[in-house]
Amino acid sequence: GAVVSQHPSWVICKSGTSVKIECRSLDFQATTMFWYRQFPKQSLMLMATSNEGSKATYEQGVEKDKFLINHASLTLSTLTVTSAHPEDSSFYICSAVPGRLLYNEQFFGPGTRLTVL
Amino acid sequence: AQTVTQSQPEMSVQEAETVTLSCTYDTSENNYYLFWYKQPPSRQMILVIRQEAYKQQNATENRFSVNFQKAAKSFSLKISDSQLGDTAMYFCAFMKPSGNQFYFGTGTSLTVIP
Repeated sequence: GAVVSQHPSWVICKSGTSVKIECRSLDFQATTMFWYRQFPKQSLMLMATSNEGSKATYEQGVEKDKFLINHASLTLSTLTVTSAHPEDSSFYICSAVPGRLLYNEQFFGPGTRLTVL
Repeated sequence: AQTVTQSQPEMSVQEAETVTLSCTYDTSENNYYLFWYKQPPSRQMILVIRQEAYKQQNATENRFSVNFQKAAKSFSLKISDSQLGDTAMYFCAFMKPSGNQFYFGTGTSLTVIP
């Protein structure tokens, strides 16, 4: 159990276009989801915390108008990279926390590789 | 703010041997959770082992065990009988119970040599 999927697994887009990445918890409800960014051979950098039914909380230095996060249901959160530029090329990973109670684990999606030309 | 430090960017070990990955952290919290995650070339994050700070007993999962030293804020991972499939990036992570937010270390790239 506790499977998290991401779609698409990889995407190539032109500079200036917008790209939407979906994160789904397949067999559990997640009130909280997290979005991370990972550059090659580096660690995961938390971008934002997404709570169902409320606005996302962004980490310092992350542009909320550029990285739009919507957590519309208990099983789906989306990250939209608006007006993408080559420097936005990266590996984006989501994770989900089951239930409404405090939980001591995150379940990670397989990631989405974004390449902006 | 919490910080997690992994001082070994790269390590290698012979197949069937034992290797220890280091992790230290800084926090003023008394109750928290610590994790080791493995990220193979597929990039999927896989939980290796978890430790609750209020438990003095070190966690073990088959060939994986930790040495948790709360006073020293140290959380090392020992891999016994290393296998080729253990080759991956390993990340140490800290989590406060409130908010479920993870703080990751910079990672250690482990290569198991046949």
